[in-house]
Amino acid sequence: DGGITQSPKYLFRKEGQNVTLSCEQNLNHDAMYWYRQDPGQGLRLIYYSQIVNDFQKGDIAEGYSVSREKKESFPLTVTSAQKNPTAFYLCASSIPDTIGYTFGSGTRLTVV
Amino acid sequence: GQQLNQSPQSMFIQEGEDVSMNCTSSSIFNTWLWYKQDPGEGPVLLIALYKAGELTSNGRLTAQFGITRKDSFLNISASIPSDVGIYFCAGRGNAGGTSYGKLTFGQGTILTVHP
Repeated sequence: DGGITQSPKYLFRKEGQNVTLSCEQNLNHDAMYWYRQDPGQGLRLIYYSQIVNDFQKGDIAEGYSVSREKKESFPLTVTSAQKNPTAFYLCASSIPDTIGYTFGSGTRLTVV
Repeated sequence: GQQLNQSPQSMFIQEGEDVSMNCTSSSIFNTWLWYKQDPGEGPVLLIALYKAGELTSNGRLTAQFGITRKDSFLNISASIPSDVGIYFCAGRGNAGGTSYGKLTFGQGTILTVHP
């Protein structure tokens, strides 16, 4: 079945360490997105990519980095520069100008 | 940039009651979408609206695309406990430009249903 997979579901890291969140899709979607969600809050866009080898900063890109070397994959690195990294991270994909985004099930990152 | 104002922020209702939430925007959108997020999961698309004035139903859910193209509402009739979650509206603007295809999301409405 086609879908979008985020791994791991839960991730714990020590303060000051970089951590990479995985996002893989087999939907043949061109565009991929990363969102951050804090408790009781909406979705804030971190980065997005509309084609391979290209990506754009979203509203809260500071302290994060991404790569898009393959159409299927859009990993997000949370760097030590991100001051408050504990959050729920959602990855999504889409074909531009179609019905909407397909979301992964999220990764809950806790930094201690 | 484009912003969506979604209200109410939260709702506490009894099972069987009807629910209504809405989104307004300062910009025109060509597509309105409504998503539901279960606790600890990613949002799932409920309803998509493509034309101004369009009224669409999906079971107990009904959504409308406002005539001005700057607002949308979602109604849930006869709520049940599994309706609990966060409901997001989202809008897509015009083709062209760097924002092409990108959705703008509302802040979400947290729905709690008491049995």
